[in-house]
Amino acid sequence: EDQVTQSPEALRLQEGESSSLNCSYTVSGLRGLFWYRQDPGKGPEFLFTLYSAGEEKEKERLKATLTKKESFLHITAPKPEDSATYLCAVQSLDLSNTGNQFYFGTGTSLTVIP
Amino acid sequence: ETGVTQSPTHLIKTRGQQVTLRCSSQSGHNTVSWYQQALGQGPQFIFQYYREEENGRGNFPPRFSGLQFPNYSSELNVNALELDDSALYLCASSLGDLGTDTQYFGPGTRLTVL
Repeated sequence: EDQVTQSPEALRLQEGESSSLNCSYTVSGLRGLFWYRQDPGKGPEFLFTLYSAGEEKEKERLKATLTKKESFLHITAPKPEDSATYLCAVQSLDLSNTGNQFYFGTGTSLTVIP
Repeated sequence: ETGVTQSPTHLIKTRGQQVTLRCSSQSGHNTVSWYQQALGQGPQFIFQYYREEENGRGNFPPRFSGLQFPNYSSELNVNALELDDSALYLCASSLGDLGTDTQYFGPGTRLTVL
């Protein structure tokens, strides 16, 4: 069964304390892996798309990496404004039946303390 | 801002009623996807439309249906509302079809079923 698991569920960091969020996935026919940031009561905000194992992307204090089984979102020297829920999603394609499929994890709630 | 808008912002319905939610995609985006997000959970994929045809569907019953129009707008219709349908409903638009494609989310419609 296709699924996405994120860990930890919640993470509290001191400002400047670097850490990593994990996204493990099992999906047949991975088409892409996505990272989003979501603030309370708002829609997810796009961060990165990764397509194949070994790929890395960076944006400001964030860096996303991808292997065949998992992805990491590394946060370097976080600031309080980085506090949010970070969501991981994968896209697969079921040619025999249901077409495009998207699976989201439940997210990691990050709190950065000044 | 992603350029994706949704209406209404909030909606209250009673069990058994029908509801229509609306989304306006970014200009030029031919694909729209709809998601249901319960409190504290990740978004659950409902379905995806490309150029007015459904090209992906998640594990939702037929009482969840959709339409996409040529003017980059779309609708999510839910019949026979149940209490468990209370959630944030998100639409996301993207450029392409079956290819891996970054989705940009709207702010969502908060549906409460009493």
